[in-house]
Amino acid sequence: NAGVTQTPKFRVLKTGQSMTLLCAQDMNHEYMYWYRQDPGMGLRLIHYSVGEGTTAKGEVPDGYNVSRLKKQNFLLGLESAAPSQTSVYFCASSILLEIANQPQHFGDGTRLSIL
Amino acid sequence: KQEVTQIPAALSVPEGENLVLNCSFTDSAIYNLQWFRQDPGKGLTSLLLIQSSQREQTSGRLNASLDKSSGRSTLYIAASQPGDSATYLCAVKSRRDDKIIFGKGTRLHILP
Repeated sequence: NAGVTQTPKFRVLKTGQSMTLLCAQDMNHEYMYWYRQDPGMGLRLIHYSVGEGTTAKGEVPDGYNVSRLKKQNFLLGLESAAPSQTSVYFCASSILLEIANQPQHFGDGTRLSIL
Repeated sequence: KQEVTQIPAALSVPEGENLVLNCSFTDSAIYNLQWFRQDPGKGLTSLLLIQSSQREQTSGRLNASLDKSSGRSTLYIAASQPGDSATYLCAVKSRRDDKIIFGKGTRLHILP
């Protein structure tokens, strides 16, 4: 059981380049989330999805786009990377029903540097 | 807008002591509250999840409480060990929009 898998684990981009981060989960979870983590800022929600074909904005959505074409995948896109998007990106998933002791599952993160 | 605050931002205590980490949130319309642990350069590991209808959860030396009406949660760590050194984060899931919002964390250092 792989849980939540993020691809790639590391990436360096030049300003203006584009890229897509992939999050895949094999737990049949309805909810999926993308966060960024910066020093002293905690985790901030970028976008999230409550089911296949749905997306919604989080706290810091500007400069990012997302898609949830398949239930198991949640893609985060940077159309024109900026140095301010240098961060560690985390994906998470959780079930629809709030069953006790069913926590949010996190991937291991993607370290992204924009030069 | 839901806001989550964790106090203190950093804490150092001698090994063996019991300690309490605090988390507060502004909107009581939540599904649940989770406590996570994060080691440097690593992802997040879920420690405890408390449903909105529950008052506390326990796992080994960890006990988390929830007072939804006052917007507060505490994480109690008994008999602290150097291996407990990490950053501890709390997060709440909102009933209004399904967002999960995190606090900035408490950086804990257990002194041998």
